[in-house]
Amino acid sequence: AQSVTQLGSHVSVSEGALVLLRCNYSSSVPPYLFWYVQYPNQGLQLLLKYTTGATLVKGINGFEAEFKKSETSFHLTKPSAHMSDAAEYFCAVSDSGSARQLTFGSGTQLTVLP
Amino acid sequence: EADIYQTPRYLVIGTGKKITLECSQTMGHDKMYWYQQDPGMELHLIHYSYGVNSTEKGDLSSESTVSRIRTEHFPLTLESARPSHTSQYLCASSDPKVPYGYTFGSGTRLTVV
Repeated sequence: AQSVTQLGSHVSVSEGALVLLRCNYSSSVPPYLFWYVQYPNQGLQLLLKYTTGATLVKGINGFEAEFKKSETSFHLTKPSAHMSDAAEYFCAVSDSGSARQLTFGSGTQLTVLP
Repeated sequence: EADIYQTPRYLVIGTGKKITLECSQTMGHDKMYWYQQDPGMELHLIHYSYGVNSTEKGDLSSESTVSRIRTEHFPLTLESARPSHTSQYLCASSDPKVPYGYTFGSGTRLTVV
């Protein structure tokens, strides 16, 4: 069974500041890891994913995440926050079943202060 | 532009009513999913389908049922809605050619009064 823990249900940063959203996972097999963003009243949009290969993954809107196996982490970062980044962010891990099910964390609400 | 559509976007309904939440996708994806999301909580998989005439229950027990008669259509039905069913329901589909490439709909926010 796999699980995801997102530290901090709410994170606030100033516009232009570094964004760091934390995600730790538990998996008995090599994981596939994802970050999704959900804007108000919208569905989830894939930001980036790690499957195999390079451990530093770049996504849309200037976000990136680094897979660290030794720390079982997949933290999401962005060097400079923009007001439009305000949203809820979900980290997810896949299972190894053929249905390709995702297990989600509880989400982190990002607020960007002017 | 969304390729997966959910209707209605919002629904307020009385206890005991039967409801069907619609989900349609135009991408020809075989695999489709229903997730339930309570405010401030993680998404929980309640149903999934490998393709036509295939339906499976997910990790979270749900009183809802689903059907998959056509590839593009994956409706979710509650025979008798209760206040405990109040939640957001998100539909998704995935493309086997894109490893773990999920596309999500905008969701249906259901309130049962």
